[in-house]
Amino acid sequence: DGGITQSPKYLFRKEGQNVTLSCEQNLNHDAMYWYRQDPGQGLRLIYYSQIVNDFQKGDIAEGYSVSREKKESFPLTVTSAQKNPTAFYLCASSILDYSEQFFGPGTRLTVL
Amino acid sequence: DAKTTQPNSMESNEEEPVHLPCNHSTISGTDYIHWYRQLPSQGPEYVIHGLTSNVNNRMASLAIAEDRKSSTLILHRATLRDAAVYYCILRAVVRSQGNLIFGKGTKLSVKP
Repeated sequence: DGGITQSPKYLFRKEGQNVTLSCEQNLNHDAMYWYRQDPGQGLRLIYYSQIVNDFQKGDIAEGYSVSREKKESFPLTVTSAQKNPTAFYLCASSILDYSEQFFGPGTRLTVL
Repeated sequence: DAKTTQPNSMESNEEEPVHLPCNHSTISGTDYIHWYRQLPSQGPEYVIHGLTSNVNNRMASLAIAEDRKSSTLILHRATLRDAAVYYCILRAVVRSQGNLIFGKGTKLSVKP
């Protein structure tokens, strides 16, 4: 089955630690995205990538980093510089950068 | 980016039609109207999109006003599984950042 997977589903982190969230897709999509969602709010874009080895900052990139070494994978690192990292993180992909997006199940990150 | 306005919440009875409105008075000629929905603790799911003409698919129908300043997502027979937050999003069909700009959406409750 084709799809987009995120792991882990729940993640706990101590303050001051970096943590990496996984996102993998086997849909052969070129574009991939990371969003953050806070309770009761819509999604906000962190980073996006339209092609391998290239990515751009979104609206709230500070304290986050990404890589896109393979078409299928777009991991997000939440660094200690992110002041309020507790949130629901969603990864998405699309065939083209303006076509419908397919979302993963999300990772809920809690900083203790 | 053009903004959309949706009611915060709506209620429906099971097996009745639901009309979810969206206002987008500043829409431009190149903006498509997209709808996504998000079930609790899940990633958003694409529902439907259109440009000028009304659109139908297996999930829903999209009715677009003649002046394109508003649209309505129609669920023909609501089920309990349709209880979700519905997002109306404008998307320009140009090579751009490509991200979806989510507002707070409409929280749909379905009563048995």
